[in-house]
Amino acid sequence: AQTVTQSQPEMSVQEAETVTLSCTYDTSESDYYLFWYKQPPSRQMILVIRQEAYKQQNATENRFSVNFQKAAKSFSLKISDSQLGDAAMYFCAYRSAGRNYGGSQGNLIFGKGTKLSVKP
Amino acid sequence: DSGVTQTPKHLITATGQRVTLRCSPRSGDLSVYWYQQSLDQGLQFLIQYYNGEERAKGNILERFSAQQFPDLHSELNLSSLELGDSALYFCASSVGDTAGKTQYFGPGTRLLVL
Repeated sequence: AQTVTQSQPEMSVQEAETVTLSCTYDTSESDYYLFWYKQPPSRQMILVIRQEAYKQQNATENRFSVNFQKAAKSFSLKISDSQLGDAAMYFCAYRSAGRNYGGSQGNLIFGKGTKLSVKP
Repeated sequence: DSGVTQTPKHLITATGQRVTLRCSPRSGDLSVYWYQQSLDQGLQFLIQYYNGEERAKGNILERFSAQQFPDLHSELNLSSLELGDSALYFCASSVGDTAGKTQYFGPGTRLLVL
């Protein structure tokens, strides 16, 4: 079974600085998708960025970018120019690209999350 | 706002009771997913429906059941509630059921079992 590990329970960054959140995953599959979701104090789950495993190019969304290392099974999130509104729990998630109707494959598997604090 | 709505926002009930959580997916989305977020288990996938049919099952207890109606809204039924069922229950939706389709989450229903 696939697993997702976020080894940093908490991180802190100064406003306007850059921070990197780590995520590793374990899978025997070659085709899958990776996601970072943000959960602010409102508890809403917000998609930050996604990466297709078949793409070598790292995904970027404005101030958010990933470092996807497929061989190392690593998927870190870099937040540049951190803002107070970035303070939240960040969850890394994996989704198999295979279809396995009836089972749980193909649905999101989440890490335990990293709580990011932004200092003014 | 993701476009996914969930009601109620909060629910307080007693052990042994039964509750129903409701989810309306984004316009045009055929897939609905239910997730449970608790302190000890984290975020876990429960069940998925696609266009009215059950498509995938995760760590869903036998006391829990769900369905998706012809208008595509979904309901998650939790019965014989226990203290450990207290959690945040999310509904998510996507256009299709393939892995590449992004899941958009609703605001969640916070369930407290006393």
